[in-house]
Amino acid sequence: ETGVTQTPRHLVMGMTNKKSLKCEQHLGHNAMYWYKQSAKKPLELMFVYNFKEQTENNSVPSRFSPECPNSSHLFLHLHTLQPEDSALYLCASSQGQGLMSDTGELFFGEGSRLTVL
Amino acid sequence: GQQVMQIPQYQHVQEGEDFTTYCNSSTTLSNIQWYKQRPGGHPVFLIQLVKSGEVKKQKRLTFQFGEAKKNSSLHITATQTTDVGTYFCAGQMDSGGSNYKLTFGKGTLLTVNP
Repeated sequence: ETGVTQTPRHLVMGMTNKKSLKCEQHLGHNAMYWYKQSAKKPLELMFVYNFKEQTENNSVPSRFSPECPNSSHLFLHLHTLQPEDSALYLCASSQGQGLMSDTGELFFGEGSRLTVL
Repeated sequence: GQQVMQIPQYQHVQEGEDFTTYCNSSTTLSNIQWYKQRPGGHPVFLIQLVKSGEVKKQKRLTFQFGEAKKNSSLHITATQTTDVGTYFCAGQMDSGGSNYKLTFGKGTLLTVNP
């Protein structure tokens, strides 16, 4: 059982919809991340939060809006997405702070499979 | 941009054969991590290498970090069907402003014929 829980596991939405992905970590970690996993591409870092403060926005379009109300919860708000945004969105956490020279291992959630029609 | 190249992209082996995947970075890495993702699953951490020339073993898996800290390899001896999945390397590199991003390779998909 993973210590990082993501909901929903699957989401289908139209380009005009607004939806949110949720992530919760039960590990007491200080850093949380959003990654995008598309076919035939490396895992792409989207956002990094340390102690609930955003420390990285990896040139992500504004139609993706992260929110981190506390160090255990992370959201990804989605609006006016494009079909090419269809992917597996993975949340992760680490004990070490993100963007340090040694963050330590990442613990991934099971992901939210997003399909944009 | 800074990248971590991983080869091969795919590898199909007969059960019992050995398997190796390689990672190369154009930039010196502070450390490198390896993850395994089973089909339909999520990446799971295997190991982290930090020191130049480091070699670590986990049962049938052997991980190496190059002397220059720019390349790494994962070798599996006598593969089993349970080894099926995609193996990713992830290198932690200085991306400027004292920030170190963990950059993933594209992964090697291993399939094993029983």
